[in-house]
Amino acid sequence: DVKVTQSSRYLVKRTGEKVFLECVQDMDHENMFWYRQDPGLGLRLIYFSYDVKMKEKGDIPEGYSVSREKKERFSLILESASTNQTSMYLCASSLLAGGTDTQYFGPGTRLTVL
Amino acid sequence: SQQGEEDPQALSIQEGENATMNCSYKTSINNLQWYRQNSGRGLVHLILIRSNEREKHSGRLRVTLDTSKKSSSLLITASRAADTASYFCETGLTFGKGTMLLVSP
Repeated sequence: DVKVTQSSRYLVKRTGEKVFLECVQDMDHENMFWYRQDPGLGLRLIYFSYDVKMKEKGDIPEGYSVSREKKERFSLILESASTNQTSMYLCASSLLAGGTDTQYFGPGTRLTVL
Repeated sequence: SQQGEEDPQALSIQEGENATMNCSYKTSINNLQWYRQNSGRGLVHLILIRSNEREKHSGRLRVTLDTSKKSSSLLITASRAADTASYFCETGLTFGKGTMLLVSP
């Protein structure tokens, strides 16, 4: 079974802090994704990566950056956290190109920015 | 980007009843997928239907796809309390807002 893990289930940070959310998958998947999920808005794609050191902007990349130095690890970075980034963050991976293949999700990180 | 929209937003039924939820999208697709999310958790993949398929079954799940109407439906038969969750359709990395299903014992 594919396993996608996220570094924290719950995280509380202060406005202006730099925040790192880590995601690791153990199935040698090429593609990895970061979404945020907000009530009434569903899941929205922030960034995705189809290979090491490659990244593509999703629908809402503003205020975020990502890093993929190793195939199994995809990090989401909030350079200067703001209260409107309080959300549930979900990481996913897939073997084939996104949108054509099943995505496997981590358990999520609920981030609160005070 | 493509947009899947589920309908209804919320559905409340009794155990044993069937639950039907619908998804509409705007542009052409290669496939459409349905996911389930238990409260506060990650999403779990349920079923994928390709654009050249009209119907697909998996256990108590039945998915239909009508590309002419740009819509899909997910039917859960003989529902159980454990089916209580939110259900999302996905097309090309775009998820709908989901249908929240409550199955009461």
